[in-house]
Amino acid sequence: RKEVEQDPGPFNVPEGATVAFNCTYSNSASQSFFWYRQDCRKEPKLLMSVYSSGNEDGRFTAQLNRASQYISLLIRDSKLSDSATYLCVVNAGNNRKLIWGLGTSLAVNP
Amino acid sequence: DGGITQSPKYLFRKEGQNVTLSCEQNLNHDAMYWYRQDPGQGLRLIYYSQIVNDFQKGDIAEGYSVSREKKESFPLTVTSAQKNPTAFYLCASSMTGGEKLFFGSGTQLSVL
Repeated sequence: RKEVEQDPGPFNVPEGATVAFNCTYSNSASQSFFWYRQDCRKEPKLLMSVYSSGNEDGRFTAQLNRASQYISLLIRDSKLSDSATYLCVVNAGNNRKLIWGLGTSLAVNP
Repeated sequence: DGGITQSPKYLFRKEGQNVTLSCEQNLNHDAMYWYRQDPGQGLRLIYYSQIVNDFQKGDIAEGYSVSREKKESFPLTVTSAQKNPTAFYLCASSMTGGEKLFFGSGTQLSVL
């Protein structure tokens, strides 16, 4: 099993749709979780940290399920500008090493 | 403006040649990282440094070397020993190491 797994997609959705991505991780000792966004041939940018209590930033909601070892990202009212690859990142325990998922590709269509 | 700057944006390497990628940050971050990204693959850690004059190998350090003589700078040399260097190289920094990363805009390295 990969340390961090994501559905690669692509997810093709119309503008205004709600879309959700999941990411599973294998190390139960993982401490920190993040979602990054990466546009084609650009650098990743931090979208959200993911907290145990869940957190929301505008149209974006991130949740953590420690029992099932997955994190999720929900995007409401999708915009064309949300088209990108969304990377799940997990801090793998004591050595603070970050493990990167392969990313989920989202295309929002007019 | 504070940030992290990588140069050049595009770089071409000839067979047997060493090339150096530049990474400079003015965020006063202690930790700096080099990642490699290949199409369809996740980011893979090459080297990282948590303090000046100290650095550690990542998952794919073979064929690469780094230095950290100044807090602001963390250059990466791709040596001739790296047989498959074509990739998108990303430099990043963070305050304390292992948490939120800020990335440079990347360098695309290709082999002639």
